[in-house]
Amino acid sequence: AQSVTQPDIHITVSEGASLELRCNYSYGATPYLFWYVQSPGQGLQLLLKYFSGDTLVQGIKGFEAEFKRSQSSFNLRKPSVHWSDAAEYFCAVGANRASGTYKYIFGTGTRLKVLA
Amino acid sequence: DGGITQSPKYLFRKEGQNVTLSCEQNLNHDAMYWYRQDPGQGLRLIYYSQIVNDFQKGDIAEGYSVSREKKESFPLTVTSAQKNPTAFYLCASTWSYNSPLHFGNGTRLTVT
Repeated sequence: AQSVTQPDIHITVSEGASLELRCNYSYGATPYLFWYVQSPGQGLQLLLKYFSGDTLVQGIKGFEAEFKRSQSSFNLRKPSVHWSDAAEYFCAVGANRASGTYKYIFGTGTRLKVLA
Repeated sequence: DGGITQSPKYLFRKEGQNVTLSCEQNLNHDAMYWYRQDPGQGLRLIYYSQIVNDFQKGDIAEGYSVSREKKESFPLTVTSAQKNPTAFYLCASTWSYNSPLHFGNGTRLTVT
């Protein structure tokens, strides 16, 4: 069965420090992978997506993510965190048409706190 | 600008009452989704619809109902059978199964 695991519930980093948020997935085929960000009381905004091709994908707000098939991971990174990056981040696996499902599976999220 | 509109942003109801959450999109997307969000549990799928007049149960459909009479609208009714309805509800839509979901800004439902 498809699943997404975000092992870190909370992460705290200092402003200007680098950031890596972990995401592991379980999927039977080539996955469609997404990272979203959510500010309190708001909807989710797409940061980046991976469908195929280059394993390092660039997104908005200076974020990037690397797809590693051998490790079933899709970790999100940012070289230098800004205070405005404080939010909750969700990793997701896209729907699998081959299996007949149109479901998107989300991880439980990682809440990022940024120290000034 | 295209987008997804969820209304109202905050909703309060008494226990035992049914309540309907609105979701409208002008993105011309075929597929629409309802998720429930509770702290520490991520997003859980309630219902989804791939086409007008068709919808499927998600992982936590009990106590909820939906309709899809128009492409742009996918209202969610939280019935009195839903044991713990207080939550943040998110509506989303997409072009196809391998495209990103676009989200509305959510409705926070409080039932007392």
